[in-house]
Amino acid sequence: GAVVSQHPSWVICKSGTSVKIECRSLDFQATTMFWYRQFPKQSLMLMATSNEGSKATYEQGVEKDKFLINHASLTLSTLTVTSAHPEDSSFYICSASAIQETQYFGPGTRLLVL
Amino acid sequence: GENVEQHPSTLSVQEGDSAVIKCTYSDSASNYFPWYKQELGKRPQLIIDIRSNVGEKKDQRIAVTLNKTAKHFSLHITETQPEDSAVYFCAAPRTSGAGSYQLTFGKGTKLSVIP
Repeated sequence: GAVVSQHPSWVICKSGTSVKIECRSLDFQATTMFWYRQFPKQSLMLMATSNEGSKATYEQGVEKDKFLINHASLTLSTLTVTSAHPEDSSFYICSASAIQETQYFGPGTRLLVL
Repeated sequence: GENVEQHPSTLSVQEGDSAVIKCTYSDSASNYFPWYKQELGKRPQLIIDIRSNVGEKKDQRIAVTLNKTAKHFSLHITETQPEDSAVYFCAAPRTSGAGSYQLTFGKGTKLSVIP
């Protein structure tokens, strides 16, 4: 149990375009989903926390107008990187949790902006 | 907010030996401590977790110990195997005003098991 999927697994796009990443909890209802960013050989950096049906809470320094998060249902959250630039290239990982604190991670999306 | 320190940053052990990774946290109210294993290019996978009402938890070759007084917890891997090679992250929770449980992660330990 506790399977989280993420799509796409990798994406290459041109600078200035927008990219949408989906995160789904496949076998449980996720009251909360989290979005992380991970640079090579570094730890997981929390970008935002989203609860179903409410606005996401962004970490300090994360631009909410650039990284749009929608959590429309208990099994789906989306992250849209708007007007992507090369510095946005990274590994984006979502996680989902139900009632308790345990977070289960998706497989990640590798974004390369040219 | 929670501050999590993890040591060492890299660890090499011979196959069959034990490996120990230590983390300290700052918030005495923290009550949940997970450990994640991340292989290169893959997702972090929960390998074991412990809650503050116990001092030790074991799952086959993996164990976690917790010292609430000293605010530190450790991951112990016995009889290491090459497939244990990965980056290990500890984490501790920080509760947000919305009641959701965010995690603060340590910087990770790259474990290499030498055959």
